[in-house]
Amino acid sequence: GAVVSQHPSWVICKSGTSVKIECRSLDFQATTMFWYRQFPKQSLMLMATSNEGSKATYEQGVEKDKFLINHASLTLSTLTVTSAHPEDSSFYICSALTSGRIPVAFQETQYFGPGTRLLVL
Amino acid sequence: QKEVEQNSGPLSVPEGAIASLNCTYSDRVSQSFFWYRQYSGKSPELIMSIYSNGDKEDGRFTAQLNKASQYVSLLIRDSQPSDSATYLCAVRHLNTGNQFYFGTGTSLTVIP
Repeated sequence: GAVVSQHPSWVICKSGTSVKIECRSLDFQATTMFWYRQFPKQSLMLMATSNEGSKATYEQGVEKDKFLINHASLTLSTLTVTSAHPEDSSFYICSALTSGRIPVAFQETQYFGPGTRLLVL
Repeated sequence: QKEVEQNSGPLSVPEGAIASLNCTYSDRVSQSFFWYRQYSGKSPELIMSIYSNGDKEDGRFTAQLNKASQYVSLLIRDSQPSDSATYLCAVRHLNTGNQFYFGTGTSLTVIP
């Protein structure tokens, strides 16, 4: 199956610092990756869609200057939370889109990384 | 109207029973349908994908798709306590690019 990794799995930081989260597709190339945020007992919230070599597309209400996304290669996307504050504390999950060995557009499937827990003190 | 709707539950079934999870979607041109399982504190993991009307079976799981009625369901046979999780339905329609629409999830508890 398709494997997606995230690093770090846990991060605790002081208010005002920046935190970078990496998302890697380990055994496939991903033109498109997604970043989600999930608060306790709430559903997934899509933050942005990251496309390799182009600017990310942010969902309404997500501050692009605060959540910087870089998709510099077909296997790596990064999310940087700039000047983090306690309200940014959440579970951040990335996912990558893969079409498998035989690319068929509508059969592309999203595989999730294990997530990164961010706690801002 | 939400793109994807699921009963939030909680749904409780006894061990060994069949758990039935349902999902409806609003866009008739939806083409791809997915079920994910999310354990508490973990990220979602893919259970099944389905693209054509009818049933698709994988082990104890069966996905059912009815495009005319715009619903997709997941049946879990011989439910086990380890199946206790939140089940997310996701729908994708290509005319909106790569956008996947997720339901809010149904919480399933399998009682030993």
